[in-house]
Amino acid sequence: SQTIHQWPATLVQPVGSPLSLECTVEGTSNPNLYWYRQAAGRGLQLLFYSVGIGQISSEVPQNLSASRPQDRQFILSSKKLLLSDSGFYLCAWSVVFGYGYTFGSGTRLTVV
Amino acid sequence: GQQLNQSPQSMFIQEGEDVSMNCTSSSIFNTWLWYKQEPGEGPVLLIALYKAGELTSNGRLTAQFGITRKDSFLNISASIPSDVGIYFCAGRFQSGNTPLVFGKGTRLSVIA
Repeated sequence: SQTIHQWPATLVQPVGSPLSLECTVEGTSNPNLYWYRQAAGRGLQLLFYSVGIGQISSEVPQNLSASRPQDRQFILSSKKLLLSDSGFYLCAWSVVFGYGYTFGSGTRLTVV
Repeated sequence: GQQLNQSPQSMFIQEGEDVSMNCTSSSIFNTWLWYKQEPGEGPVLLIALYKAGELTSNGRLTAQFGITRKDSFLNISASIPSDVGIYFCAGRFQSGNTPLVFGKGTRLSVIA
């Protein structure tokens, strides 16, 4: 069966520090991968998605970047965190692009 | 970008009451999905709808794909405390070459 892993579960980082959040999917090949951010119990904001290795689409220009170095690995990064980067970050995957997402358990990031 | 109008934004109900929430769009979707997010977790798929007019149940949950293909509703019967969470609708465009579009969520609180 397919599983999705996100880590860390929680993270407290100072302003200006770098960020790296990792997401991996097991049990499938060539998944479509997505990064979402959710602010304080609000809606889901799509940040990035990828339909294949090395391919990244950005939905919202901001202080973040994404990379897909391996088929089932999706990384969210920042060189210098801002206070406004705080939030709940969710990774998701799907077999068919834009359909039937399975979400990870999320990373709660607090920038102080 | 395209948005779904999800209402109500929040609901406070007594245990045992029925709940209804809906999503509308100005665009046609070929798939409607309903997710539930519990505090500190990623959203989990509840129901998927594939055809206009389709009515699908999952336990006490019932969802329908609107005839116009521009709306969907979710009903929860005889609510219980564990129904607490944020419910998101999501739609997939006919073209299928764009990510899922999510509503902003309905926060449900159940008073015992």
